[in-house]
Amino acid sequence: DGGITQSPKYLFRKEGQNVTLSCEQNLNHDAMYWYRQDPGQGLRLIYYSQIVNDFQKGDIAEGYSVSREKKESFPLTVTSAQKNPTAFYLCASSGLAGSVGEQFFGPGTRLTVL
Amino acid sequence: AQRVTQPEKLLSVFKGAPVELKCNYSYSGSPELFWYVQYSRQRLQLLLRHISRESIKGFTADLNKGETSFHLKKPFAQEEDSAMYYCALSPRYGQNFVFGPGTRLSVLP
Repeated sequence: DGGITQSPKYLFRKEGQNVTLSCEQNLNHDAMYWYRQDPGQGLRLIYYSQIVNDFQKGDIAEGYSVSREKKESFPLTVTSAQKNPTAFYLCASSGLAGSVGEQFFGPGTRLTVL
Repeated sequence: AQRVTQPEKLLSVFKGAPVELKCNYSYSGSPELFWYVQYSRQRLQLLLRHISRESIKGFTADLNKGETSFHLKKPFAQEEDSAMYYCALSPRYGQNFVFGPGTRLSVLP
């Protein structure tokens, strides 16, 4: 069940700490995405990247940061500025930048702030 | 602005009954529309997309541009259909999916 992986599966953080969630894909996809999934709110886009060394803010980027130094990797940092970080985070990728295509999802990381 | 609505948070039906999960969208152009499904303890996965006009696991969805709807239907629900279903929209030639809030389908024995 490879393709796109996320680690860790569960993550606990104390208030005031930054944490980084890993997302890796071996599908040779150009585009990668980070979503936040909350009950009753569906998936909300945090950041996306259509090409290496380039990324754009999504709908709820405040308190988050990303990097895209390699095609395969798109880590998400949840900073202490994020007011309500406890959530389920999903990473996704899709084939060609600028085209319409299926998004493939990772298994998710559940972040809990203590 | 692009928006996807799914009016039902929870839908319960009995096994063998027909099921329809509603999805409406707002978009000024001609979007691509998708249904994604998330079974318990599994990752979110594509169920079907309107452009392929397929029937997957007995589900179909027809795009109605006049009503801006993309409802998901199955004539006879099975218990294994119980899952969270998300309708999603992608503008043509763009990559920014917009997901609806999701509908949890529960198929009762």
